[in-house]
Amino acid sequence: AQSVTQLGSHVSVSEGALVLLRCNYSSSVPPYLFWYVQYPNQGLQLLLKYTTGATLVKGINGFEAEFKKSETSFHLTKPSAHMSDAAEYFCAVSEGYGNSGGSNYKLTFGKGTLLTVNP
Amino acid sequence: NAGVTQTPKFQVLKTGQSMTLQCAQDMNHEYMSWYRQDPGMGLRLIHYSVGAGITDQGEVPNGYNVSRSTTEDFPLRLLSAAPSQTSVYFCASSYRSYTEAFFGQGTRLTVV
Repeated sequence: AQSVTQLGSHVSVSEGALVLLRCNYSSSVPPYLFWYVQYPNQGLQLLLKYTTGATLVKGINGFEAEFKKSETSFHLTKPSAHMSDAAEYFCAVSEGYGNSGGSNYKLTFGKGTLLTVNP
Repeated sequence: NAGVTQTPKFQVLKTGQSMTLQCAQDMNHEYMSWYRQDPGMGLRLIHYSVGAGITDQGEVPNGYNVSRSTTEDFPLRLLSAAPSQTSVYFCASSYRSYTEAFFGQGTRLTVV
């Protein structure tokens, strides 16, 4: 069964500082990995995703994440935080199951990390 | 560009009442799902569907029913509301497992 662990429910950084949000997963098969962002009173929107190929993926708003299979990690980074980055961030893993070649799957989310950016 | 539309946005129910949360998508996505979001718990999967006529249970299905009679619609039914079902509910859809999930704006449900 797949699971997602986000280390740190709350991360606080200064404006201009490095943002690092940690995500580890467990999966019995190579997963698809995602980071979503949720601004207050809104739904979730995709930041970036890893499916296959290059392990360093770039997303919107200057975020990027690196898939490290040996560490089962998919940490999210941004070199310089901006006030507008303040939001809740969710790591998610999608894993296929069953006999239908992965056409059945579940998307499992971590518990989220609230990012605050201090002026 | 409607995307995923959820109604209503807010709802207050009394314990024991029933209601249906509506979800519709206009992107011809096969996969649709319902999540509930509670503080410190992230998003937990309630039910999901991989196509019309096919549904399955997620992590927290008790107290909820779903059906998928068309590709576009995936309603979530609360048969007898309980205070423990106070939460924010999100509907999502995606084309494939490795493609972006699109989320509705959420329904904030309070059961008193």
